[in-house]
Amino acid sequence: SQTIHQWPATLVQPVGSPLSLECTVEGTSNPNLYWYRQAAGRGLQLLFYSVGIGQISSEVPQNLSASRPQDRQFILSSKKLLLSDSGFYLCAWSVGTNNQPQHFGDGTRLSIL
Amino acid sequence: AQTVTQSQPEMSVQEAETVTLSCTYDTSESDYYLFWYKQPPSRQMILVIRQEAYKQQNATENRFSVNFQKAAKSFSLKISDSQLGDAAMYFCAYRSINNAGNMLTFGGGTRLMVKP
Repeated sequence: SQTIHQWPATLVQPVGSPLSLECTVEGTSNPNLYWYRQAAGRGLQLLFYSVGIGQISSEVPQNLSASRPQDRQFILSSKKLLLSDSGFYLCAWSVGTNNQPQHFGDGTRLSIL
Repeated sequence: AQTVTQSQPEMSVQEAETVTLSCTYDTSESDYYLFWYKQPPSRQMILVIRQEAYKQQNATENRFSVNFQKAAKSFSLKISDSQLGDAAMYFCAYRSINNAGNMLTFGGGTRLMVKP
C-alpha cells in the first residue's frame, strides 16, 4: 500500500532563517506531488506541483521554492523566511488519472518568530 | 479558471441527526471530478467521497452521500446519523479532466460541529 511521510510535524523558525520541509511517498511510482499551505481556519492554497523528477510548477509567486530530486521525494525550501510564511503545510500525492484523489501527509505546522 | 464556493463557514448538527453541507462551483467544462475531504482537529486531510460528473448516479459511502446537480453546478454532502467523530472541517474540491497535474481547486471549507 502507498504511504506518504512528511516531516517535521512542527517547526519554529526565526525570521530570515532557511527552511527545508521534506515529503516522501512509498508504494507507488511517478506520482504527481503537491505542496499546499493552509492559513488558520482557511482553505488550501496550492503552492507547487510536480509531475516528474525535476519538473516543478509554481502556482503562487513567493519566496518559497520546491524541488524533486528523486521520483518520490518532494522538498519545500526557503532561503529567508518571512513572518507571512507561517501556516500549516501539506504535502500530497496522486496517480496520473483524473478520477483518483489526492492523498495527503500529516502536515507541518510552521511558526515564524 | 474554476472556482469552488462553500457558503456555510460553520454548521452544527445534533448527534444522530442528518446535516447537509453546501458546495457550488463554476466551470465551463462538461466533464470533471468532484471530491469532499474531511480535516479533523488532527489536521489530516481525509477523502470522504468523490463523484465523476459524467455519472448521473449520486455517490454514496456508508453514512455519506452527495446530491450532485450538474445543471445547477451544486455538489452538496449529506451526513446521516451524525457522530461525534464527524466534527471537522469539510472541503469541497474540483478537478478538471484537462489538467495534466491533476490539480484540485478547493473551497474555503465548512466547520461542522456535532452536539452530543
